[in-house]
Amino acid sequence: EAQVTQNPRYLITVTGKKLTVTCSQNMNHEYMSWYRQDPGLGLRQIYYSMNVEVTDKGDVPEGYKVSRKEKRNFPLILESPSPNQTSLYFCASSLRGVAGNTIYFGEGSWLTVV
Amino acid sequence: AQSVAQPEDQVNVAEGNPLTVKCTYSVSGNPYLFWYVQYPNRGLQFLLKYITGDNLVKGSYGFEAEFNKSQTSFHLKKPSALVSDSALYFCAVRDMYSGGGADGLTFGKGTHLIIQP
Repeated sequence: EAQVTQNPRYLITVTGKKLTVTCSQNMNHEYMSWYRQDPGLGLRQIYYSMNVEVTDKGDVPEGYKVSRKEKRNFPLILESPSPNQTSLYFCASSLRGVAGNTIYFGEGSWLTVV
Repeated sequence: AQSVAQPEDQVNVAEGNPLTVKCTYSVSGNPYLFWYVQYPNRGLQFLLKYITGDNLVKGSYGFEAEFNKSQTSFHLKKPSALVSDSALYFCAVRDMYSGGGADGLTFGKGTHLIIQP
C-alpha cells in the first residue's frame, strides 16, 4: 500500500530537548516536504526536498532542520524545541517534474512543547 | 504570489441536502487546484484536482468541484451530504510554473464542514 509514515504520532517534550520526527515514503517519490498546521493558519511549509541531498527552506523554516540522505526518508529535526513549535506536523511526498502531481500526506504528528 | 481564500470557517448542512464549500484563488499563471479532507486525528486525504480540461472534476466519496476561471473559484460540492462527510476541508493551489514542478502548494485556512443528522 502506498503510504507516507510519520513517527511519533504524538509527543510531549520539554523546551530545549532535541527531538526528531521521522518520515518515510514507499512510493519512490523524489519530492518530500514538511508542513505544520496551526488553527486559523492552515498548512505552512517548513522545508522541502527535491531529491537526495537537495533541501530548501519553505515559508516557516526557523527552528527546524532536515536531511535527505536517502530517497525514502526525510526526518524533521528540532534542535532546541520551544513552546511556539507546538503544532500538528505533516510530512508529504510526490513525484516531481509536473506541477499537477498529487501530494500525498502522512497521518500527522502532534507535538507539544512544554 | 499565489493565494487561496476559503471565506467560511464553518459550513453547516443538514444530512441529505446538497453542500458547497467555497474556494477562491489567485495565481499569476494557470492554476492547478486541489481539495484535501482531514478527518479527526487523521492526515490529509486527497479528494480531487483540476489540471486542465473539463471544468467539472469528480473525486472521491461522491465529491466534485467546479473550476470557474472568470470567477477564480474552485468550489467543492456534493449533491447529498452524509454525516460522515463532517471534517476539515482544505483547498490548495499551485501555479503551473512553480519551481521544481512539485513545490509551491499554497493552502487555504480550511473550512469545517458539519453535517447535522
